[in-house]
Amino acid sequence: ILNVEQSPQSLHVQEGDSTNFTCSFPSSNFYALHWYRWETAKSPEALFVMTLNGDEKKKGRISATLNTKEGYSYLYIKGSQPEDSATYLCAFMTGTASKLTFGTGTRLQVTL
Amino acid sequence: DGGITQSPKYLFRKEGQNVTLSCEQNLNHDAMYWYRQDPGQGLRLIYYSQIVNDFQKGDIAEGYSVSREKKESFPLTVTSAQKNPTAFYLCASSNTNRGLVETQYFGPGTRLLVL
Repeated sequence: ILNVEQSPQSLHVQEGDSTNFTCSFPSSNFYALHWYRWETAKSPEALFVMTLNGDEKKKGRISATLNTKEGYSYLYIKGSQPEDSATYLCAFMTGTASKLTFGTGTRLQVTL
Repeated sequence: DGGITQSPKYLFRKEGQNVTLSCEQNLNHDAMYWYRQDPGQGLRLIYYSQIVNDFQKGDIAEGYSVSREKKESFPLTVTSAQKNPTAFYLCASSNTNRGLVETQYFGPGTRLLVL
């Protein structure tokens, strides 16, 4: 079983703060890294699919970077808002597997 | 509306009973997946299917069974052999690109409780 780790486990910030968290994954046989956002009482929703080393993706105030050689991805949220409160999941995929391996998630809470 | 539906939202199982969780999608996706989530853990893959009439075990398949008779449907049966079935179950679907998974779309989940 592949090991995908996310840190921190949880994070509590104030509105307007910028924040970031990490996803670590095996650097060998990399194919893709997915980020999902999971709000309470809703379904997980895809944020990004990243495949190339050095890739940067952006969606509004949320962005992500990817380093496949060292096996990590960062997710950044600029100017956090209460609606950003959710669990952020990353999922790793090798080039030979047809499935995703998920990390345990980072739970973000943004307060006024 | 296109999407994935799961039913029921809550399911209660008695000791020794088999129960079936429903998952239906109208996204025309080839692949479907079942995950289990326990407190403090990530999503763990139970079973997945890339094509009708074919499915593979995930990381925690013991005590579960599936079928894929139709492209739209991927029901999960929790058998009496699953000794710790209490969890939140998520179904997902995706397109595939030469067998490799693309973005997954998730249903709303079913919470299974043991009486």
